Amino acid sequence: KQEVTQIPAALSVPEGENLVLNCSFTDSAIYNLQWFRQDPGKGLTSLLLIQSSQREQTSGRLNASLDKSSGRSTLYIAASQPGDSATYLCASNYGGSQGNLIFGKGTKLSVKP
Amino acid sequence: EAQVTQNPRYLITVTGKKLTVTCSQNMNHEYMSWYRQDPGLGLRQIYYSMNVEVTDKGDVPEGYKVSRKEKRNFPLILESPSPNQTSLYFCASSRKGTGGNNSPLHFGNGTRLTVT
Repeated sequence: KQEVTQIPAALSVPEGENLVLNCSFTDSAIYNLQWFRQDPGKGLTSLLLIQSSQREQTSGRLNASLDKSSGRSTLYIAASQPGDSATYLCASNYGGSQGNLIFGKGTKLSVKP
Repeated sequence: EAQVTQNPRYLITVTGKKLTVTCSQNMNHEYMSWYRQDPGLGLRQIYYSMNVEVTDKGDVPEGYKVSRKEKRNFPLILESPSPNQTSLYFCASSRKGTGGNNSPLHFGNGTRLTVT
């Protein structure tokens, strides 16, 4: 059974710090790996999608990497801001364009001013 | 504004009383999906649809029905709700499935359902 794990469950950092969120998955036969952000009372917002053939993707202050052999992905946030406070979820896709996403339980990030 | 709209946002009902949660998207997306989010279990897919009149079961379809008669709408139907269906429900859509860089998932703001 495919599982996605995110550690830690919660993280608190001071503003301005660079930080890394971790995601691990049990099956390396991954189609793509996706990172989402969830704000309280809101749905999820797609941040980055890394195809299995890629090693990383970047969007602004965010950089996501994928290492299939070790079953890991990381989301790097540079120069964190209070507005980055949210829960971050990763999801693995094993089924292609019709594939179901297997979600981790998320890391709740709090950036203190 | 491009969006996925779910209604209602909050719903409290009793066991066995049929209900429908509506989902509508204005982006002409082919793919739509329903998820439920529970503490300690995360997000799990209920049903998905690759296009009009095409629906498939996700990981937890028991007790739910869906239909896709029009491209923009994908209602979730609970014929006889039970307390174990108390959850936070999300509808999502994308241009084409979950596979492409140019096809990110767009989520609605969620429906919090309580079944007593």
